[in-house]
Amino acid sequence: SQTIHQWPATLVQPVGSPLSLECTVEGTSNPNLYWYRQAAGRGLQLLFYSVGIGQISSEVPQNLSASRPQDRQFILSSKKLLLSDSGFYLCAWSSGNEDTQYFGPGTRLTVL
Amino acid sequence: SQQGEEDPQALSIQEGENATMNCSYKTSINNLQWYRQNSGRGLVHLILIRSNEREKHSGRLRVTLDTSKKSSSLLITASRAADTASYFCATGLVNQAGTALIFGKGTTLSVSS
Repeated sequence: SQTIHQWPATLVQPVGSPLSLECTVEGTSNPNLYWYRQAAGRGLQLLFYSVGIGQISSEVPQNLSASRPQDRQFILSSKKLLLSDSGFYLCAWSSGNEDTQYFGPGTRLTVL
Repeated sequence: SQQGEEDPQALSIQEGENATMNCSYKTSINNLQWYRQNSGRGLVHLILIRSNEREKHSGRLRVTLDTSKKSSSLLITASRAADTASYFCATGLVNQAGTALIFGKGTTLSVSS
């Protein structure tokens, strides 16, 4: 069966510090991968998606970036965090042309 | 911009009652999905209904889709306290299979025993 992992679960970072969130998927090959952000009491905002290694599409211009160094690894990064980057970050995967997405447990990021 | 909008934003009911949530969207879709999120957790896929389907059932869940009105509803029958969660609709856009789902802001359901 497929599983998706995210870490860390929670993170508190000062403004201006770097960020690296990691997401890995097990039990499937060549998944589509997604990063979402959810602000408190809000819906999900799609940040990035990837259909293959090294292929990243950005939905929202901002100070975040994403990379996919391996088939089942998706990383969300920032060189300098802003207060507005606080939120709940969710990674998800889907298979091929299937639209159903499967979500990880999320990372709660607080920028102080 | 938000594609799906759920209504109501919040819903409080007693155990055993039915809960109905609605979702409206703006553009043509391939399918519409409903997801559930427990507080502080990831989303869990509940059900997918395709644009050529009008109704679909899964256990205590019933989903309808009216493409002429660009709306969907999720009915949870005989609700339980464990159904307390936020529910989101998500639309898969035409010609974007496997690339992007657009989520609404969600309905927060509270079921009291």
